[in-house]
Amino acid sequence: AQSVSQHNHHVILSEAASLELGCNYSYGGTVNLFWYVQYPGQHLQLLLKYFSGDPLVKGIKGFEAEFIKSKFSFNLRKPSVQWSDTAEYFCAVTDNQGGKLIFGQGTELSVKP
Amino acid sequence: EAQVTQNPRYLITVTGKKLTVTCSQNMNHEYMSWYRQDPGLGLRQIYYSMNVEVTDKGDVPEGYKVSRKEKRNFPLILESPSPNQTSLYFCASMGLAIGSGELFFGEGSRLTVL
Repeated sequence: AQSVSQHNHHVILSEAASLELGCNYSYGGTVNLFWYVQYPGQHLQLLLKYFSGDPLVKGIKGFEAEFIKSKFSFNLRKPSVQWSDTAEYFCAVTDNQGGKLIFGQGTELSVKP
Repeated sequence: EAQVTQNPRYLITVTGKKLTVTCSQNMNHEYMSWYRQDPGLGLRQIYYSMNVEVTDKGDVPEGYKVSRKEKRNFPLILESPSPNQTSLYFCASMGLAIGSGELFFGEGSRLTVL
């Protein structure tokens, strides 16, 4: 069965620090990969997605993610975080049929001003 | 404005009292889904629907029912709620055109079962 694993449950950073959140998935076939963000008290919003092509994907607010097929990974990065990036981040994967979207457990990011 | 609307946003109920959480989207999306969010467990899919009259179980369907009689609506039904269904519920929709893949989420419904 498909699964998604996010390595860090809670990350605490100071402003301007670099961010990398890990995401690994288990699925043998072709996948579509997503990162969603949930700001405090709000619903989830799409940060970025990967379907095919360039494995380095750029999203909103300066975020990017790199798909490494050999490692089954889709890590999220940002060179310099801001206090407003404080949120919970979810990695998600679906197969080509698009039906079952599997989410990771989420990583809570706290950025200290 | 494109949106997914859930109601109620907050609900406190008692064990065994049937309830329905409504979900409606105005984007003509084929795909709709229900998730529950619990601390430390992320989002878990309850049911999803690829189109009208087509529904499938997600990972945690026990204790829930859904129906998709119209494209825009996808209600979640708890026939006999229990305390372990206390959670934050999100409805989401998505178009199935090639290259879409973005889920649009509702604001969430916080349910407490006493």
